[in-house]
Amino acid sequence: NAGVTQTPKFRILKIGQSMTLQCTQDMNHNYMYWYRQDPGMGLKLIYYSVGAGITDKGEVPNGYNVSRSTTEDFPLRLELAAPSQTSVYFCASSYGVRQPQHFGDGTRLSIL
Amino acid sequence: DAKTTQPPSMDCAEGRAANLPCNHSTISGNEYVYWYRQIHSQGPQYIIHGLKNNETNEMASLIITEDRKSSTLILPHATLRDTAVYYCIVSPGDKVIFGPGTSLSVIP
Repeated sequence: NAGVTQTPKFRILKIGQSMTLQCTQDMNHNYMYWYRQDPGMGLKLIYYSVGAGITDKGEVPNGYNVSRSTTEDFPLRLELAAPSQTSVYFCASSYGVRQPQHFGDGTRLSIL
Repeated sequence: DAKTTQPPSMDCAEGRAANLPCNHSTISGNEYVYWYRQIHSQGPQYIIHGLKNNETNEMASLIITEDRKSSTLILPHATLRDTAVYYCIVSPGDKVIFGPGTSLSVIP
């Protein structure tokens, strides 16, 4: 049982480049989430999804896009990378409302 | 979502109980109290959650006051591996907003 898998683990981007952070879960969870964590800070919710085809904004959605075409996958897209998006990105999933969230190991992204 | 207040840091001697407080005076009737922890730079780990009754599992106990305005997470016998940032979150459950948490240091 792999749980929540994030790829890549590390990435360096140049300003203006684009990339997709991948997140997949094998627990058949309905809810999925994307967070970012800046150094020494708590997690900030970027986007979340309550099921395939349904997404909603969190606290800090600007500069990001998401899609949820399947239950398993919830990719996060950065279109025009900016230095302010340098952060650690965590994906999480849960079975439903009020159920514990399971987190991946994170993607460490640097934009130079 | 209701706001929570936690002390920024705490120390605990190894083998002793760690009692981590959380204030959530604006909690509403449908909001649960969740606790997660984050060890170093790993992804957060779920610990426990509750609505109004005290809860216990293999990791910890959660004590919620009768008026639900505050709660305490208890790690009964803290070990060095419990050194982490502990997050208290109040949420109806559809989305979870993390605050800065409490940095717990377990001291030998």
